[in-house]
Amino acid sequence: ETGVTQSPTHLIKTRGQQVTLRCSSQSGHNTVSWYQQALGQGPQFIFQYYREEENGRGNFPPRFSGLQFPNYSSELNVNALELDDSALYLCASSLPGQGNEQYFGPGTRLTVT
Amino acid sequence: QKEVEQNSGPLSVPEGAIASLNCTYSDRVSQSFFWYRQYSGKSPELIMSIYSNGDKEDGRFTAQLNKASQYVSLLIRDSQPSDSATYLCAGHSGGSNYKLTFGKGTLLTVNP
Repeated sequence: ETGVTQSPTHLIKTRGQQVTLRCSSQSGHNTVSWYQQALGQGPQFIFQYYREEENGRGNFPPRFSGLQFPNYSSELNVNALELDDSALYLCASSLPGQGNEQYFGPGTRLTVT
Repeated sequence: QKEVEQNSGPLSVPEGAIASLNCTYSDRVSQSFFWYRQYSGKSPELIMSIYSNGDKEDGRFTAQLNKASQYVSLLIRDSQPSDSATYLCAGHSGGSNYKLTFGKGTLLTVNP
């Protein structure tokens, strides 16, 4: 069974730029959730995708957007990067009905300068 | 009240002792609860899930849920230095999207 994978591992961007982060869900999982984790904080929910549709969104501005593909992989796009966007971005996959347990990938560390 | 609150710690216990980690939650997060372990620089790893009142045991870990008191805890028996990590409590409110709401985490250090 393949676990959740994310790419890239680390990324450095300049304020105002755009970034795309990628996630492949665990084998058989059709739901992907994205979280932002600032240093010293718990992960904050950004949004969730289920069967290629957004299925809930947290308190993040529209410049945070996403996609899910037919193979259940997903992208997180962030436009007009701000310094406060520097964080660990986590993707989690799950299979509704199995306790909704979410399994995290290794994360992408984004630094905005 | 924050949706999920944890004692920020840090918590330090000697090797072999029982570590007790606690979490309270609000009415907005009241369905299922999860404990994640996060080593420094790594992503969270699911170690326990609990859905109903009472205790759930898995090896050295016991999760306890008390819905009347809106309280969930994690006990780690025979603590090992390898248990040193940040422990995150998370809950979700059910509904259609099952987002997880996390506490800030408790840093546990197990001293040899």
